Amino acid sequence: AQSVTQPDIHITVSEGASLELRCNYSYGATPYLFWYVQSPGQGLQLLLKYFSGDTLVQGIKGFEAEFKRSQSSFNLRKPSVHWSDAAEYFCAVVAGAGSYQLTFGKGTKLSVIP
Amino acid sequence: DGGITQSPKYLFRKEGQNVTLSCEQNLNHDAMYWYRQDPGQGLRLIYYSQIVNDFQKGDIAEGYSVSREKKESFPLTVTSAQKNPTAFYLCASSRQGLVTEAFFGQGTRLTVV
Repeated sequence: AQSVTQPDIHITVSEGASLELRCNYSYGATPYLFWYVQSPGQGLQLLLKYFSGDTLVQGIKGFEAEFKRSQSSFNLRKPSVHWSDAAEYFCAVVAGAGSYQLTFGKGTKLSVIP
Repeated sequence: DGGITQSPKYLFRKEGQNVTLSCEQNLNHDAMYWYRQDPGQGLRLIYYSQIVNDFQKGDIAEGYSVSREKKESFPLTVTSAQKNPTAFYLCASSRQGLVTEAFFGQGTRLTVV
């Protein structure tokens, strides 16, 4: 079965600093990978997704992620963090095109210092 | 505006009572899902439904039940058999499988008192 690990439970960065959130997955074939963001007490919003092709994918709100098969990673990055980016971020994987099972990591909470 | 509506936003239940959480979507999506979220645990799949009148158990289905009588509705019942029901519950839908984007509702926070 597939699994997702987000090693960092909580990250604090200063506004304007760069950000990288780590995600490692475990799956035998090429996975379908997602990053979602959740504000407190709210639902999840899709930031970006990777299915195939270019390993660097662009998402909304200035986020990007890079798929590295050799490292089984799909890290999320942003060059300059804004205070409004403070939220919880979830990496997720779907095991194959016909799957209805979205497996989530435990999340990384991002705090932003003004 | 198309989207997913969960109601109520907050729900309180006495121990031993069943309670039903509502989820409605007007996106014309075939697939719908229920997730449970606990602090530090991420989201765990309770049930999902690919089409009307069909649903499948997820990873933590014990103590929960669902129905899918209409395409746009996928209510979740938390039964008295669920040992630790206090949690944040999220409903989602997607056009078909999850390689199409999943859209999430705003969630229902259930507290057992």
